[in-house]
Amino acid sequence: AQSVTQPDIHITVSEGASLELRCNYSYGATPYLFWYVQSPGQGLQLLLKYFSGDTLVQGIKGFEAEFKRSQSSFNLRKPSVHWSDAAEYFCAVGPHNAGGTSYGKLTFGQGTILTVHP
Amino acid sequence: SAVISQKPSRDICQRGTSLTIQCQVDSQVTMMFWYRQQPGQSLTLIATANQGSEATYESGFVIDKFPISRPNLTFSTLTVSNMSPEDSSIYLCSVVDTSTDTQYFGPGTRLTVL
Repeated sequence: AQSVTQPDIHITVSEGASLELRCNYSYGATPYLFWYVQSPGQGLQLLLKYFSGDTLVQGIKGFEAEFKRSQSSFNLRKPSVHWSDAAEYFCAVGPHNAGGTSYGKLTFGQGTILTVHP
Repeated sequence: SAVISQKPSRDICQRGTSLTIQCQVDSQVTMMFWYRQQPGQSLTLIATANQGSEATYESGFVIDKFPISRPNLTFSTLTVSNMSPEDSSIYLCSVVDTSTDTQYFGPGTRLTVL
């Protein structure tokens, strides 16, 4: 069964500092990997996704993530955090096979709450 | 990208009652999903609601408790039946854009059961 682990429940950084949020996954086949952000009272917004190809993917709001198959990781990074980045971040994994019975069924990590200090 | 709206955005209900949550998408989509996010928890898939077929439920979720309708390609409802305080959660609707393999989420319905 697939699973996603986000080891850090809560991270605090200063504005302007760099950020790395960790995500490890367990999946029996080639996964689709996603990072979503959830601001208070808001739905989930897709930051970026990895399907195949270049293992470093760029997303919105200056975020990037690197897929490392050997480590089963998909860590999210941002070189300089802004106060508006304070939110909860979810890593998710989904099946690769479009049209399969599990297509679109995402498994989410527990989330990492990011606090940004001025 | 798909734009999803949900109604109501939040509600406070008494135990034993039922609430129907509506999900409206601005484009036609085949695949629609309902997720639950319990307080302080991650998202858990409740069921898949594809137009033209019965909803399929994940382990731990049953149709009698969470009946789903999918009358057309832009709309779905999820009913939370015979509610208890343990049903207090955020319920989110999501759709897949199969052209980009991207999943979009609605803003959620925050349900509190007293």
